[in-house]
Amino acid sequence: QKEVEQNSGPLSVPEGAIASLNCTYSDRVSQSFFWYRQYSGKSPELIMSIYSNGDKEDGRFTAQLNKASQYVSLLIRDSQPSDSATYLCAVNRKSNYQLIWGAGTKLIIKP
Amino acid sequence: DGGITQSPKYLFRKEGQNVTLSCEQNLNHDAMYWYRQDPGQGLRLIYYSQIVNDFQKGDIAEGYSVSREKKESFPLTVTSAQKNPTAFYLCASSIPGATVGNEQFFGPGTRLTVL
Repeated sequence: QKEVEQNSGPLSVPEGAIASLNCTYSDRVSQSFFWYRQYSGKSPELIMSIYSNGDKEDGRFTAQLNKASQYVSLLIRDSQPSDSATYLCAVNRKSNYQLIWGAGTKLIIKP
Repeated sequence: DGGITQSPKYLFRKEGQNVTLSCEQNLNHDAMYWYRQDPGQGLRLIYYSQIVNDFQKGDIAEGYSVSREKKESFPLTVTSAQKNPTAFYLCASSIPGATVGNEQFFGPGTRLTVL
């Protein structure tokens, strides 16, 4: 079992709809969770971080964390073509503060 | 402007050659990291450094070397011992152990190709 798992996609969503991206992790003691966006050929860009159970909203983005079920999700409301990218989930390894990365979900927003 | 710079953007290596990738940051971050990204895969940690003059191996350190003589700089050398070095190399930095967690910020990357 991978430490951080994501569906590779592609996930295709119509413009204006809600895109839902999911990530599961194996280390029960992880405390910090991050979503990064990576455009093709570019470096990852941090878009959301979450540390407590529940929802955290920032503009069109909402991160959801459920530590009991060991998953973290990212919702993108009113999806735009510019949201088309690969979304990487990262989880801290508490023992040494390293981040463990999922392979990413490719999101395609169709106009 | 604060940020992380990497150079060169593209690098071509011949068989048996050592090459050095540059990473500089002016964010005053203590911690710096080198990752490798291959197509369709997540980031894999090569080396990291939490403080000047100290660094630790990550998950795939074989064939690579680093130094951390200055807080701002963390160069990565890809040696001839690295048998499959073609990849996208990413440098990142963070404030280690901060209350906000371990948010890492990335440079633009160096794409290395073996000829």
